Amino acid sequence: DAKTTQPPSMDCAEGRAANLPCNHSTISGNEYVYWYRQIHSQGPQYIIHGLKNNETNEMASLIITEDRKSSTLILPHATLRDTAVYYCIVRDLYNTDKLIFGTGTRLQVFP
Amino acid sequence: GAVVSQHPSWVICKSGTSVKIECRSLDFQATTMFWYRQFPKQSLMLMATSNEGSKATYEQGVEKDKFLINHASLTLSTLTVTSAHPEDSSFYICSAVSGRARETQYFGPGTRLLVL
Repeated sequence: DAKTTQPPSMDCAEGRAANLPCNHSTISGNEYVYWYRQIHSQGPQYIIHGLKNNETNEMASLIITEDRKSSTLILPHATLRDTAVYYCIVRDLYNTDKLIFGTGTRLQVFP
Repeated sequence: GAVVSQHPSWVICKSGTSVKIECRSLDFQATTMFWYRQFPKQSLMLMATSNEGSKATYEQGVEKDKFLINHASLTLSTLTVTSAHPEDSSFYICSAVSGRARETQYFGPGTRLLVL
């Protein structure tokens, strides 16, 4: 079973920041937080991952709370092409390569 | 990011036939590949883990004799759906992990299978 909880859907206006929350209250010390997204009828796309520090790359920022029980993926300036299902996944990087997908958040970016 | 391809992108077949789907890592060597299945409006379900040169490990409830997986080289894994039936119609997606950089799993574009 997936170890994360995400809202089923969110809306965001184009050009605004999209903040996607994820709850992972049972995360263990070795588990990283990964974010992927899946645009309709395509394979998932890697976005970002982190352990406890905040991370930023060209696609997004990942904010992890100090207790690591939740995180937020931030798309700073959402575009229509960011409309997708976003998956938050926890993974024990050193013990498994498996990714177990939950139900994700369907983000709809509107004009 | 690394590139993973799948072939074919879609396939239609008659019930009872077998279908082979290929997954290739184009610019890296993948010691481990994964196969997922996704039904409409559902999330991805992991079917099996494929390690180069060894037998695949199947998730609980996945029939290994129905979904044959071969990972004969560091850049190619194949999934064969044997004696396909309409309930096997689904979106099949593979992913790969580089032997050098196991942090990130890269996904193929998926193969849509329709069994008539």
